[in-house]
Amino acid sequence: QQQVKQSPQSLIVQKGGISIINCAYENTAFDYFPWYQQFPGKGPALLIAIRPDVSEKKEGRFTISFNKSAKQFSLHIMDSQPGDSATYFCAAGQANAGKSTFGDGTTLTVKP
Amino acid sequence: DGGITQSPKYLFRKEGQNVTLSCEQNLNHDAMYWYRQDPGQGLRLIYYSQIVNDFQKGDIAEGYSVSREKKESFPLTVTSAQKNPTAFYLCASSIGLAGVEQFFGPGTRLTVL
Repeated sequence: QQQVKQSPQSLIVQKGGISIINCAYENTAFDYFPWYQQFPGKGPALLIAIRPDVSEKKEGRFTISFNKSAKQFSLHIMDSQPGDSATYFCAAGQANAGKSTFGDGTTLTVKP
Repeated sequence: DGGITQSPKYLFRKEGQNVTLSCEQNLNHDAMYWYRQDPGQGLRLIYYSQIVNDFQKGDIAEGYSVSREKKESFPLTVTSAQKNPTAFYLCASSIGLAGVEQFFGPGTRLTVL
C-alpha cells in the first residue's frame, strides 16, 4: 500500500516558469512533510519541510503549500532555473514511527 | 566536516558473492537507514536502526543484512540470496528517533556482473 502518492512523474518547465509538484497522503498520523532534492549520482538533500499546523512555508524560491483537509501538499519552485533540474521527492513522517515514507519522485527539467 | 560517508562509490561483484557496503556518520545521530534506489525509481527502505545493537526490517529486507555495533556505523551486507542486487544504495541518518528529517550519504552504486 503506497502511503504517499507523488505526481507528476516528470516535468519540463521553461526557465523563469513555475514548477509545481504534488503529493497526497493517506495516513492522518503523519505530522512532518519534508521535500528532498537529488541530483544525478548524488544522495538526496533536505530542501524544505512543513508541519501540519501551517498552510504554507516559503524559503527563497521554494514554497510548500499544505492542505490538511485534502491530505495534500505541494512544492512550488518560482522562477525555475536550469540548476533546479533534479529529482524531487516528497516524504511524510510521524514522530513515533522512526521512519519516513517517500513518494516515487518527480524528475524536473528546466529548459534554458 | 560533519557528514555521512559511504564507501566504496562503485562496487562490482560476481553473482553468488556477498558484499558489504560501508556507512559512517560523525553527526552523532541516533537513527540510521539504508535505502535502495533503482533507475527512475523512488527510495525503498531496506533496514533502519534507532539504537546500537537494534535494527528493524524495512519494506525490502529480504536478501540483505545489517549490524549496528557502534552509533556511527551501519554496514549493509548484500547477500547472494538477493536476486537482483544491482542498484544505487543510499545510507541516511537522522537526529533523534523520529526519522522525519534525514541526511543522506553520497551513495554506493553496486553492479553484479
